Amino acid sequence: AQSVTQLGSHVSVSEGALVLLRCNYSSSVPPYLFWYVQYPNQGLQLLLKYTTGATLVKGINGFEAEFKKSETSFHLTKPSAHMSDAAEYFCAVSDGSGGYNKLIFGAGTRLAVHP
Amino acid sequence: GAVVSQHPSRVICKSGTSVKIECRSLDFQATTMFWYRQFPKQSLMLMATSNEGSKATYEQGVEKDKFLINHASLTLSTLTVTSAHPEDSSFYICSARESGGARGEQYFGPGTRLTVT
Repeated sequence: AQSVTQLGSHVSVSEGALVLLRCNYSSSVPPYLFWYVQYPNQGLQLLLKYTTGATLVKGINGFEAEFKKSETSFHLTKPSAHMSDAAEYFCAVSDGSGGYNKLIFGAGTRLAVHP
Repeated sequence: GAVVSQHPSRVICKSGTSVKIECRSLDFQATTMFWYRQFPKQSLMLMATSNEGSKATYEQGVEKDKFLINHASLTLSTLTVTSAHPEDSSFYICSARESGGARGEQYFGPGTRLTVT
């Protein structure tokens, strides 16, 4: 069975500082991994995804993530935080079973960016 | 890009009434749509998977008679909360999977805030 663990329910950084949001997964099949961002009272927006191929994935808004199979990790990073990055971030793994392709979400990490 | 809409964005209803939420894929065909529920400051909880032309598959613990799902076309799925109670108040989010899309890839709607008084 698939599962996702996001370490740190809250992360606070200064504007301009490195952002690191941690995600570890478990999967019985080769994982497809996703990072989503959610702003208050809105749906989820896809930041980036890993399916196959290059393990360093670049997404929107300057975010990137690296798939490390040996560490079962898919941490999200951004070199320099902006105030507009403050939001909730969810890591997800695709449930490879059946044909429905369900997503298994982590508990989320709330990112705060202070001046 | 793939866009998913939800209607309404907010709804307030009285206890005991039913509420219908629509989820539409605007520029692609979605054979599969998903309905999630999100409580404040929590993650998304999958309620059911909706397939066009067939019965929805509900997750364990979700009452199928209370949360009626209809996926009548490749672009529309509806969630009806029947005999709503205050504990049904929540943020409901749908997502859609494009036919032939990459495994797991889903496009999310903006959500519907349901308040039952």
